[in-house]
Amino acid sequence: NAGVTQTPKFRVLKTGQSMTLLCAQDMNHEYMYWYRQDPGMGLRLIHYSVGEGTTAKGEVPDGYNVSRLKKQNFLLGLESAAPSQTSVYFCASSWTSGGYNEQFFGPGTRLTVL
Amino acid sequence: GESVGLHLPTLSVQEGDNSIINCAYSNSASDYFIWYKQESGKGPQFIIDIRSNMDKRQGQRVTVLLNKTVKHLSLQIAATQPGDSAVYFCADPIKAAGNKLTFGGGTRVLVKP
Repeated sequence: NAGVTQTPKFRVLKTGQSMTLLCAQDMNHEYMYWYRQDPGMGLRLIHYSVGEGTTAKGEVPDGYNVSRLKKQNFLLGLESAAPSQTSVYFCASSWTSGGYNEQFFGPGTRLTVL
Repeated sequence: GESVGLHLPTLSVQEGDNSIINCAYSNSASDYFIWYKQESGKGPQFIIDIRSNMDKRQGQRVTVLLNKTVKHLSLQIAATQPGDSAVYFCADPIKAAGNKLTFGGGTRVLVKP
């Protein structure tokens, strides 16, 4: 199993450009998450999904949109990138909340907005 | 201990010594905690977890202690090795919100040879 994969690994955008980050998991997890991590800080939740076709806002959702059209994929979109969105983005997935379940993280996407 | 901000607290440890990393939480209803390790340039990796009905849980070279009275967690790493150099986070899944994790700022562990 590949676990959680993210594409691309690195990206540089100009202010106002748009892009989509792709997260894929092959563990048949119901829950998926997008976090951002800024230097010297912990991860902050952007959006999450508790199942195919569902999405919900996290702590810092402004400027981002997400879609979960397929169970294994969770897309994060930036419609009009801003320098404040320069960060490392991590995707994660987990089983349902029926038990005590850890989240599995991808390797991250490093995004720079100029 | 945990902090939020630009400057991570750093623990410098001699190789072979034990490390203790602390974490405070605020939600009295929290019943499950996870410790993650994040190496430079990588995503967080699960180390060990503990449920609130336990005070202590041991893994391979790691022990997590939970003190619910003062809402405090600690992660102990025995015989610290160079490969243990990383940032360590404690996290608290919120079941009512899709198990979303609340992370502290992390503690950086530097292992000196």
